[in-house]
Amino acid sequence: KNEVEQSPQNLTAQEGEFITINCSYSVGISALHWLQQHPGGGIVSLFMLSSGKKKHGRLIATINIQEKHSSLHITASHPRDSAVYICAVIGSGGGADGLTFGKGTHLIIQP
Amino acid sequence: GAGVSQSPRYKVAKRGQDVALRCDPISGHVSLFWYQQALGQGPEFLTYFQNEAQLDKSGLPSDRFFAERPEGSVSTLKIQRTQQEDSAVYLCASSSDRNYGYTFGSGTRLTVV
Repeated sequence: KNEVEQSPQNLTAQEGEFITINCSYSVGISALHWLQQHPGGGIVSLFMLSSGKKKHGRLIATINIQEKHSSLHITASHPRDSAVYICAVIGSGGGADGLTFGKGTHLIIQP
Repeated sequence: GAGVSQSPRYKVAKRGQDVALRCDPISGHVSLFWYQQALGQGPEFLTYFQNEAQLDKSGLPSDRFFAERPEGSVSTLKIQRTQQEDSAVYLCASSSDRNYGYTFGSGTRLTVV
């Protein structure tokens, strides 16, 4: 079982819809990242959070440490939001292995 | 530089050929990571450097994979005798501290034919 599970795997929505992508993890973590990857493009870090909630523009990320769960929300979605959204965690064990990634959620926003 | 730079952007190699992938991290970033991302999958950890020291190479899939960062800045990932299963995007990321923000390069897409 992957240590980081995302849902849904694929999501197609209409422009303007409210989008939610979920991430569950099974290990103790020191921080969680939400990343965005466009086709053929590199990865952009959207948020890093270890508690509570962060907001940037139309993007909101929340994390519940006790439930080992995080969500990424997109309000008033737009076709340019179409991308793969990846959840990644940093373990709290002190190891040097960097991020453990989920498999990503492929989001398509149709006009 | 302003970001993490990886080269080449695309590489097509014949099976059995050796390849070298370069990562130029953000100046001053101590931590450098290499990841392998197969099509439709999330990235998988390969190896980690702190300055010039390779502290973790547990993710390297075989002894055909070798990484170095001799002066604590630019890193090279070398794959010897490439196989078709090596086809993937190889991502490099750097950070001033592994518990803080990571900056990713655009990746090198390797296709072994």
